[in-house]
Amino acid sequence: DQQVKQNSPSLSVQEGRISILNCDYTNSMFDYFLWYKKYPAEGPTFLISISSIKDKNEDGRFTVFLNKSAKHLSLHIVPSQPGDSAVYFCAASVTNAGKSTFGDGTTLTVKP
Amino acid sequence: DAGVIQSPRHEVTEMGQEVTLRCKPISGHNSLFWYRQTMMRGLELLIYFNNNVPIDDSGMPEDRFSAKMPNASFSTLKIQPSEPRDSAVYFCASSPTQVYQPQHFGDGTRLSIL
Repeated sequence: DQQVKQNSPSLSVQEGRISILNCDYTNSMFDYFLWYKKYPAEGPTFLISISSIKDKNEDGRFTVFLNKSAKHLSLHIVPSQPGDSAVYFCAASVTNAGKSTFGDGTTLTVKP
Repeated sequence: DAGVIQSPRHEVTEMGQEVTLRCKPISGHNSLFWYRQTMMRGLELLIYFNNNVPIDDSGMPEDRFSAKMPNASFSTLKIQPSEPRDSAVYFCASSPTQVYQPQHFGDGTRLSIL
């Protein structure tokens, strides 16, 4: 039973346009959500997070939206840059559970 | 500020051999996680420690896998005996606390079992 799903294995966008990465979850107990970015031959690095008391969190070009009723979150990157090309992982956790559950990742390619 | 340090970066060994992966978490972090990444199963949590104590090892695939954290600055993941299906990238991560804190990942160990 995969509790966190990223249904799009890959996404390709043009430089300067918006990238939208999606993530769905099934466990209603999840109350903290994170996005990580991973370049080849490196470990994932934290990008942005959101707690369940919010529906939006913004950090520069990156915005995460949370729709609790739909159990859906999305990451918006505006404007997209070639350096954003990477694998993006969605992760979810329950407060005090100590661990996160990761999706399978979406490979974003931003074309110049 | 040093990040999470994993060694070795690459390991190639023959089936049946013992494999030991090492991790040094970020100083001051009290949670440590071991993950395995494969094409088939994505990024899966194997085990995590809090204050050097194993909290959840439900992701450890079988008895051939074991993990220890003898002190706050060192952890090992051991596979004995190794099998070709253990080939994967193994990541170690650490975080400051259990609540609302992102994890900091090492660059992984790419393990190939022949």
